Amino acid sequence: EAQVTQNPRYLITVTGKKLTVTCSQNMNHEYMSWYRQDPGLGLRQIYYSMNVEVTDKGDVPEGYKVSRKEKRNFPLILESPSPNQTSLYFCASSLQPLVNTEAFFGQGTRLTVV
Amino acid sequence: GDSVTQMEGPVTLSEEAFLTINCTYTATGYPSLFWYVQYPGEGLQLLLKATKADDKGSNKGFEATYRKETTSFHLEKGSVQVSDSAVYFCALSENSGYALNFGKGTSLLVTP
Repeated sequence: EAQVTQNPRYLITVTGKKLTVTCSQNMNHEYMSWYRQDPGLGLRQIYYSMNVEVTDKGDVPEGYKVSRKEKRNFPLILESPSPNQTSLYFCASSLQPLVNTEAFFGQGTRLTVV
Repeated sequence: GDSVTQMEGPVTLSEEAFLTINCTYTATGYPSLFWYVQYPGEGLQLLLKATKADDKGSNKGFEATYRKETTSFHLEKGSVQVSDSAVYFCALSENSGYALNFGKGTSLLVTP
C-alpha cells in the first residue's frame, strides 16, 4: 500500500530536549516536505526536499532541521524544542512538482512541548 | 506573495443540503489549485484539483471551477452526507511547485 508513515503519532517532551520525528514514504517520490498545522493558521511549510541531499527552507524553518540522506526518508529534527513548537506536524511527498500532481500526507504527529 | 483565503467555519448543514465553501487566491503567475480534505484524526487527502483557467475539478460529488477572472475556486456539492464531515482546505501551488499554500481550513459538520 502506498503511504507516508510518520513516527511517533503523539509526543510530549520538555523544553530543550532534542527530538526527531521520522517520515518515510514507499512510493519512490522525489519531493518531500514538512508542514505544521496550527489553529486559525492552516498549514505552513517548514522545509522541503527536491531529492537526496537537496533541501531548502519553507515559510517557517526557524528552530527546525532536516536531512535527506535516502530518498524514502525525511526526518524532522528539533534540536532544542520550545513551547511555541507545540503543533500538529505533517510530512508530505509527491512524485513531481506540486503544480502537476498531488501530495500524499502522513497521518500527523501531535507534539506538545512543556 | 501567494495566498489563499477561504470562508471561516464551522459550517453546519443538514444531510442532503447544498454545500458551497468559498475560496479566493492571490498569485503572481498561473497557479494550480487544489481542495484537500482532512477527516478526523487523519492526514490530508487530495479531493480535487484544476491546473488551468476554466478547468473543473470533480470527485465524490464535489466540484470546483478555476475562475481566473474572479481568482476563485469555490467548492460545491449538491447533496452532502454525514460522511462528508471534515475540514476542507483550499490550496495553490505555483512556479517551482515545491510548496502548497493553504487557506486556514473550513470545518464542515453534517447532521442527520
